[in-house]
Amino acid sequence: DVKVTQSSRYLVKRTGEKVFLECVQDMDHENMFWYRQDPGLGLRLIYFSYDVKMKEKGDIPEGYSVSREKKERFSLILESASTNQTSMYLCASSLLLPGSRTYEQYFGPGTRLTVT
Amino acid sequence: SQQGEEDPQALSIQEGENATMNCSYKTSINNLQWYRQNSGRGLVHLILIRSNEREKHSGRLRVTLDTSKKSSSLLITASRAADTASYFCATDAEGGSEKLVFGKGTKLTVNP
Repeated sequence: DVKVTQSSRYLVKRTGEKVFLECVQDMDHENMFWYRQDPGLGLRLIYFSYDVKMKEKGDIPEGYSVSREKKERFSLILESASTNQTSMYLCASSLLLPGSRTYEQYFGPGTRLTVT
Repeated sequence: SQQGEEDPQALSIQEGENATMNCSYKTSINNLQWYRQNSGRGLVHLILIRSNEREKHSGRLRVTLDTSKKSSSLLITASRAADTASYFCATDAEGGSEKLVFGKGTKLTVNP
């Protein structure tokens, strides 16, 4: 079974702190994603990586950066945390289904971040 | 960006009843997927239907796709309390894309 793990389930940080959220997948997937999920807004893509050291901005990249130094690990960085970044953060990796251009995503359990 | 929109936003039913959730999207797609999320957890893939398919079954799940109306429905038959969760549809761009766009979800409550 594919496993996507996230470093913390719950995290409380202060405004202005630098925050690292780590995600690791064990299935050699090329693609990895960071989303945030807020009530009434659904899942919104922050950043996407399609290979080591490669990244692409999603719909809401402002205030975030990412790092992918190894294939299995994708980190989300909040350079200076703000209260409006309080949210549930979900990491995912994706697999290309054989014989298609279709990708299925596998999600980690999520990190609920509170910035005070 | 294109987005699936689920309807209704919330649904409450009794155990044993069927639950139907709908998803509408805006542009041409390669496939449509349904995911489930238990409270406070990550999403889990349920079923995928390709743009050239009209109906697909998996256990108690039945998904339909009408590309002319740009809509899909997810039917859960003989629901159980354990089906209580939020359900999301996700679409990718025609021709295929690594990125999926998720709707806002339907919150299903199945009362014992």
